[in-house]
Order: sequence, then C-alpha cells, then structure tokens
Amino acid sequence: DIQLTQSPSFLSASVGDRVTITCRASRGISSYLAWYQQKPGKAPKLLIYAASTLQSGVPSRFSGSGSGTEFTLTISSLQPEDFATYYCQQLTSYPFTFGPGTKVEIK
Amino acid sequence: QVQLQESGPGLVKPSQTLSLTCTVSGGSISSGDSYWSWIRQHPGKGLEWIGYIYYSGFTYYNPSLKSLVTISVDTSKNQFSLKLSSVTAADTAVYYCARSAKTTVTTGVFDIWGQGTMVTVSS
Repeated sequence: DIQLTQSPSFLSASVGDRVTITCRASRGISSYLAWYQQKPGKAPKLLIYAASTLQSGVPSRFSGSGSGTEFTLTISSLQPEDFATYYCQQLTSYPFTFGPGTKVEIK
Repeated sequence: QVQLQESGPGLVKPSQTLSLTCTVSGGSISSGDSYWSWIRQHPGKGLEWIGYIYYSGFTYYNPSLKSLVTISVDTSKNQFSLKLSSVTAADTAVYYCARSAKTTVTTGVFDIWGQGTMVTVSS
C-alpha cells in the first residue's frame, strides 16, 4: 500500500493567515492526489483533485500543488469556516489510501 | 444532483455480520458513469477505503478487509450495500458511502458522500 504522511498534524492559525499543509507519499503517485476537508460530525468534502484542480464550488483561496511524492494544500487567507481537519488521498493504486489528517484550529 | 444516504443497524454484536445500504437519489447507478464506494472512519481517526462496486457488479476491495467484505448492487432499487462479516470491536466506526466519477483522473476521487452512519460493535 502507498502510505501518506501529513505535516503538521496540528496547526493553530488566525483568520487571515496563509496556511500550508504538506502531504508526502511513500512512492511516486504522479498527480493522482486529492484533498478533503472534514468538519466535526460531517462527511469529508472534496476540495481538490489531480493535485491542483479545484472542485466546483470550492473557494479560490484553496489551492493545491505538487507531483510525485510531495504535495501541498494552501489556504491563502484562512476564514472562520476553514477550521477543520484536512486529509490527502492517493488514487494512483489500490487500495486508495488517506493521510492521517491535519487539524487546523483557531489561534 | 446525486445524493447518498446510508441506512442500517447502529449496533451489531461481535462475530455477526454488519449490513449497510446506500440509497442513491438524483441519479442512476446504472448510468455507468460512477463507482460506488464504502469508506469508514474509526472514532477520532482517519479514513479507510473499504472497496467499490460498479453498476455491472464489478468490485474491488481493500486487501486488508477482502476476506470479510462483500459489496453488492441492486440497480432496480438504485442501492448498493456493504456486508462485513465476523465483526469485532475494531469494526466500530462511522461508515460512509461515496461516489467517484469514472474517468481517468477521478476514479477514486470521492466527490459525493453520504452523511455517514455510526456502527457500534458490542454485545
């Protein structure tokens, strides 16, 4: 299985901050990476796929980049509704696997 | 737009079989443009993909659960189902059904999710 790691695992930030989350894969996955946002008690929501393609309806302050083994999710200006846990996921090979998550909390 | 809704018992006894159904509305499973997955999340933990099914009945399971999992589809009811046998406390989790569009870059991208259903394994 392809293992994904995320850093940091926890992040404390203020409204308006620029936030970057990193996801690393145990082997190359080209650009077959997605990012999800999950709020407590809710299902995950797709933000980005193909490493950098913004899902329809997702605010443009979210962006993704990377290929191969290293990827980043950036929130350009953190909004109150962005406080959540973020997961990366690879879809290049079975089984599809998720990263352990990065929790973004209010400073 | 397509919506998904999980249903099934919230409590299952150890060694029994967990059975859940996902009802698809706003679209047809038989359209052939999607894969239909089950994903679970242990309390306070990350996400684990269990497997998916295509409307034809083609399935792919996570090898870690393969011997215990069966995913089936009922196109007449626009539903797909999960059976997980010989459950233990370790199978206590929120179970989600999810859709991924059948394209080169989106097979395995879960763009629509059910709300999730909590299943507790306990005697």
